[in-house]
Amino acid sequence: NAGVMQNPRHLVRRRGQEARLRCSPMKGHSHVYWYRQLPEEGLKFMVYLQKENIIDESGMPKERFSAEFPKEGPSILRIQQVVRGDSAAYFCASSPGREKLFFGSGTQLSVL
Amino acid sequence: GQSLEQPSEVTAVEGAIVQINCTYQTSGFYGLSWYQQHDGGAPTFLSYNGLDGLEETGRFSSFLSRSDSYGYLLLQELQMKDSASYFCAVRDQAGTALIFGKGTTLSVSS
Repeated sequence: NAGVMQNPRHLVRRRGQEARLRCSPMKGHSHVYWYRQLPEEGLKFMVYLQKENIIDESGMPKERFSAEFPKEGPSILRIQQVVRGDSAAYFCASSPGREKLFFGSGTQLSVL
Repeated sequence: GQSLEQPSEVTAVEGAIVQINCTYQTSGFYGLSWYQQHDGGAPTFLSYNGLDGLEETGRFSSFLSRSDSYGYLLLQELQMKDSASYFCAVRDQAGTALIFGKGTTLSVSS
């Protein structure tokens, strides 16, 4: 059973471009979480989704950031018009319910 | 809102026992979880306490006291590979998002 798959592992963007981060949850998992982590810091919650629904987006910046988890395909975290402050590791996690989370290896976003 | 406090760093030697404490404030309580992260890699689940008391899984144990809003992770027979960051986490007041503490960096030396 494959784990949580995130791609790309590394993403480089110039200021003003768009970043699209993808996350395929573990088979059978219908709950997806996105977290952001800066060096030497903890995991900051961004958004929690179930298939086709955003359940909790209280940690998501109001502008430029959006997330989706369509009926078919991976979950997408989209960052428009990236700025240098968006540089971070973005982790996706999935779970079959509200039990323990299974994390992917993350996407390291670097904004030049 | 939710807040979690844990020490930023802990050091120990191989074979020793170390305890990482976590105090929390939350409007609704749905249990305390612990995760391990090596060198910025994928965090992995270690343990969960929903009720007061001690949960043991091999060399790792976790304890919870709901009346004190306090828990700890106990690591025994430390090995070099236990050098990592350890995070405690609680659900938010809605019981949806899992909120993490800032993490404790454990360094194990020989």
